[in-house]
Amino acid sequence: AAGVIQSPRHLIKEKRETATLKCYPIPRHDTVYWYQQGPGQDPQFLISFYEKMQSDKGSIPDRFSAQQFSDYHSELNMSSLELGDSALYFCASSLVLRGRGTEAFFGQGTRLTVV
Amino acid sequence: AQKVTQAQTEISVVEKEDVTLDCVYETRDTTYYLFWYKQPPSGELVFLIRRNSFDEQNEISGRYSWNFQKSTSSFNFTITASQVVDSAVYFCALSEVTGGGNKLTFGTGTQLKVEL
Repeated sequence: AAGVIQSPRHLIKEKRETATLKCYPIPRHDTVYWYQQGPGQDPQFLISFYEKMQSDKGSIPDRFSAQQFSDYHSELNMSSLELGDSALYFCASSLVLRGRGTEAFFGQGTRLTVV
Repeated sequence: AQKVTQAQTEISVVEKEDVTLDCVYETRDTTYYLFWYKQPPSGELVFLIRRNSFDEQNEISGRYSWNFQKSTSSFNFTITASQVVDSAVYFCALSEVTGGGNKLTFGTGTQLKVEL
């Protein structure tokens, strides 16, 4: 079965650079979520999109932005990178029916290292 | 605000032992979902189970079983006859039901080490 695809798997950037992470959800899933997991921490919700519209926002820095495109893939753009942005970034997708979501399936994550 | 507490930071067991991972949650919602995810050393998050707040039936899947008790706001996870491959970080998570999706609030995770 198709899973959530994230690219790239690993990314190394320097401070103050920009990074773009991509996520391709499971086909027919209408909701995409982004999470950030720092070293030794639990995943923290950043932002979500339902049918290409932002549906919820968590602790996402102003330096980050995201969008969902017409083909349902999503991109997380991160600017002015800081050392503290080094983390594992997960994308997840789910199908929301009548306001009730199914389980979210996670991609394998993008490990971002800022040096 | 929602909160998930996994009081056990790390558990070490010997293979074939049974182990229970505790999860306690807080929410003001009457409708919510509870999840368990496994994160092996390779880093991916693997979905294990989802329960809704109206279904308190315990569930068993192979060596895995889950005990949901709404009265104590707990959703504990038991691995029977643990194996080395069970070594991972296990996260309990709670989702609120919003109009456009179900974001997850994770606990801090329990690192399970199964040794020979």
